[in-house]
Amino acid sequence: GAGVSQSPRYKVAKRGQDVALRCDPISGHVSLFWYQQALGQGPEFLTYFQNEAQLDKSGLPSDRFFAERPEGSVSTLKIQRTQQEDSAVYLCASSLLDTQYFGPGTRLTVL
Amino acid sequence: QKEVEQDPGPLSVPEGAIVSLNCTYSNSAFQYFMWYRQYSRKGPELLMYTYSSGNKEDGRFTAQVDKSSKYISLFIRDSQPSDSATYLCAVYNAGGTSYGKLTFGQGTILTVHP
Repeated sequence: GAGVSQSPRYKVAKRGQDVALRCDPISGHVSLFWYQQALGQGPEFLTYFQNEAQLDKSGLPSDRFFAERPEGSVSTLKIQRTQQEDSAVYLCASSLLDTQYFGPGTRLTVL
Repeated sequence: QKEVEQDPGPLSVPEGAIVSLNCTYSNSAFQYFMWYRQYSRKGPELLMYTYSSGNKEDGRFTAQVDKSSKYISLFIRDSQPSDSATYLCAVYNAGGTSYGKLTFGQGTILTVHP
């Protein structure tokens, strides 16, 4: 029973480095979401895909953040020139109807 | 002011206690109300989901929504140590390009000690 998987689970980057975070959604799920969860906070919405179309990117904090889902399945969240404030857990969720299923997240630490 | 407010706790209770977790929200357009449980270093998992005012029960868990006061609650009966986790309330407004976008509360850390 495959759930949502994310890789890497942990990533340490030096400030200024680019990082790429991968999400493998549940097979057949049309909708895919990215959230950012800072320590001690609830997840905050970053962006939403319906198949390959990015319909909402209103939560991306700056133009250093970029997400894609070119074939409507796997998605990648890329952060360019990472900053210390980017340190957080990045969660991916997929859904077919109303229920979102979350992956374990990628914990990003920027030194 | 955040759209969803949740007391972060932490909350510590003895095994067998009744636990009450609460959130308030500000936007009456929110139509769907959820409670997620998140264990340490895991992703959130859905516990309860409702779209109407009133109570919904599932085993030891009861979700309560009062749309008139914009207040949502989760009650846990006969709490167990395995219930120790962070509990997140979430709301969303279906429709438009924001379909399915969840707005979360801060999360309440619950510890149930034997």
